[in-house]
This record gives sequence, structure tokens and C-alpha cells, in this order.
Amino acid sequence: ETGVTQTPRHLVMGMTNKKSLKCEQHLGHNAMYWYKQSAKKPLELMFVYSLEERVENNSVPSRFSPECPNSSHLFLHLHTLQPEDSALYLCASSPGQSGRYEQYFGPGTRLTVT
Amino acid sequence: QKEVEQDPGPLSVPEGAIVSLNCTYSNSAFQYFMWYRQYSRKGPELLMYTYSSGNKEDGRFTAQVDKSSKYISLFIRDSQPSDSATYLCAMSSGGYQKVTFGTGTKLQVIP
Repeated sequence: ETGVTQTPRHLVMGMTNKKSLKCEQHLGHNAMYWYKQSAKKPLELMFVYSLEERVENNSVPSRFSPECPNSSHLFLHLHTLQPEDSALYLCASSPGQSGRYEQYFGPGTRLTVT
Repeated sequence: QKEVEQDPGPLSVPEGAIVSLNCTYSNSAFQYFMWYRQYSRKGPELLMYTYSSGNKEDGRFTAQVDKSSKYISLFIRDSQPSDSATYLCAMSSGGYQKVTFGTGTKLQVIP
């Protein structure tokens, strides 16, 4: 595997379900991010982790819970979601050093909440 | 006023045309500028990354930054149907500061 991978690619869940999204980066980067992408809206930053520590949380509802066990893996735990949470969830990583802050994205998880 | 403004398009051009995509911004602290290409139902793919005013070229793509005007551009030469996608501009003040994205311009290159 190369770059940033995400699983699952598609997820349909009911409002009472609990599920998790997984992200793995194979780039040796120090920072990882979760974004939400909805139609006709800019990418919305949800969480930022630097060397496994959360450095930013953009006022995301508590029904989204991130976990970063090491610098290569990032999870987004989902519970009691709402239909408006249906979107493409993107994971990204960046070198985070030596002036290198560009972000590399995974393919995303298309989430549908019914 | 939005921090980053980008015309959503769609922009339709014939194959072989030169395409110009643009973004304006209001935050003078931005110093890192990126362009991403996103195909339908895929994640954004980094095309260009620059942190200074001026031009940066990579193959058929040229990124241009004018910090005095708070204006960035992406030029695509000899456009191909495979260039049909949504192009996102993005910018940051550096560090782990939030990267601010434009809403994207949808480009269609017609054979």
C-alpha cells in the first residue's frame, strides 16, 4: 500500500449504530487530519493530530470521536449520527516539518446515515 | 467576506485550450498555497505546492502566486479530457494551522 488509505470506502448506517472509519498513512508523516466534504461546501476540518496528540478540534459534535494510536493510524468513531452527517469523510496527512505542510488525501469514505 | 473565494464554474473548454483557474483570499497571513484536483467520488490529489510569490511550473501545470494582490492562479496548458475534474485551491499560514480550501471549480475539457 502507498500513500493514504481509508476503509471502508462506503458505509451505510442507521442513526442508532456505532461504526468506525479507519485511515492509514504510509508516507512517514507527522500529522493527520479528518475532513468532512459535503456537496457545494468547502472542505470542513474536523480534527488534527500531530505526533499522536490532538492539536485542533473544530467544534465537532461529540457523536464524532477521533483516535490516533500512532503516527500512522487514525480512526473516527461514529455513534448516534444524524442524516445531515451523510458526506464524504476524508483523511489526510502532512509531513509537518521543515516547512512542509502540504496535505495528502486518502480516497475517502462515503457515509450515508439513514 | 469568505477567507478564500473561488468561482465554482462549471468551466467548459475545448481540448488543447489553455485553462486559467483562480482564487482570491483575504488573510494576509497565508504563505503556503496549494492546488488540488478531485475527480468525482475520489479524494483530492495534490497538484502544486508553493510558498512564495511568482511562478512554479510542473509539466503542463503552472501555479502563480501574487501576494500583493492576494490572488493565485493555476494554468493548464494543452488541456486534455482527463483534466476534467474539480480543482480546489487551498492555503495556510503554516504549521498545523488550518488549511483553508476554496469551494472548487469544476472543469470540463471537451474532446
